[in-house]
Amino acid sequence: DGGITQSPKYLFRKEGQNVTLSCEQNLNHDAMYWYRQDPGQGLRLIYYSQIVNDFQKGDIAEGYSVSREKKESFPLTVTSAQKNPTAFYLCASSLRREYGYGYTFGSGTRLTVV
Amino acid sequence: AQKITQTQPGMFVQEKEAVTLDCTYDTSDQSYGLFWYKQPSSGEMIFLIYQGSYDEQNATEGRYSLNFQKARKSANLVISASQLGDSAMYFCAAVMFSGGYNKLIFGAGTRLAVHP
Repeated sequence: DGGITQSPKYLFRKEGQNVTLSCEQNLNHDAMYWYRQDPGQGLRLIYYSQIVNDFQKGDIAEGYSVSREKKESFPLTVTSAQKNPTAFYLCASSLRREYGYGYTFGSGTRLTVV
Repeated sequence: AQKITQTQPGMFVQEKEAVTLDCTYDTSDQSYGLFWYKQPSSGEMIFLIYQGSYDEQNATEGRYSLNFQKARKSANLVISASQLGDSAMYFCAAVMFSGGYNKLIFGAGTRLAVHP
């Protein structure tokens, strides 16, 4: 079945470490997105990509980096510059100009700084 | 600035009753789409219903209906015959076309509790 796979499900990071969250989709979707969710709050857009080798900053891109070398993959790196990275991270994908039902979400990665 | 506003942090409803969750949006785009998602405690985002800005009829999906009032820029979700399994966070979202890219933005959410 087609879908989005996020890994790992839980991730622990030490202070000053960079960590990379994986997001893979087999839906042949053009666009991919990363969101951050803090407890009891909505989703905030970190980065998004409409095509391979192109991506745009969202509302809270500072301290994060992404790459889009393959259509099916959109990894997110949380760098040491991100001062408060503990959160739930969701990856999503959609057909490039799909306004309808085309958004699919992964099951999320819960990142905790220890 | 494009923004989604959900003014109800939490709502309570009795089982089998109907409930309305409020959502207003702010955009100057003529073409946009409106969504409602359900997020249970597991964290997954479950798509409930979609309304296009040019759709003249309100969208319905089973027990879910979207009360779309374009002039007021509101897109309220109505859940009929509430069930205990409806207890979850509910998010209103919109896709807007900005600078050649479309992106999905979310409101802060409403936590719904269904009581027996």
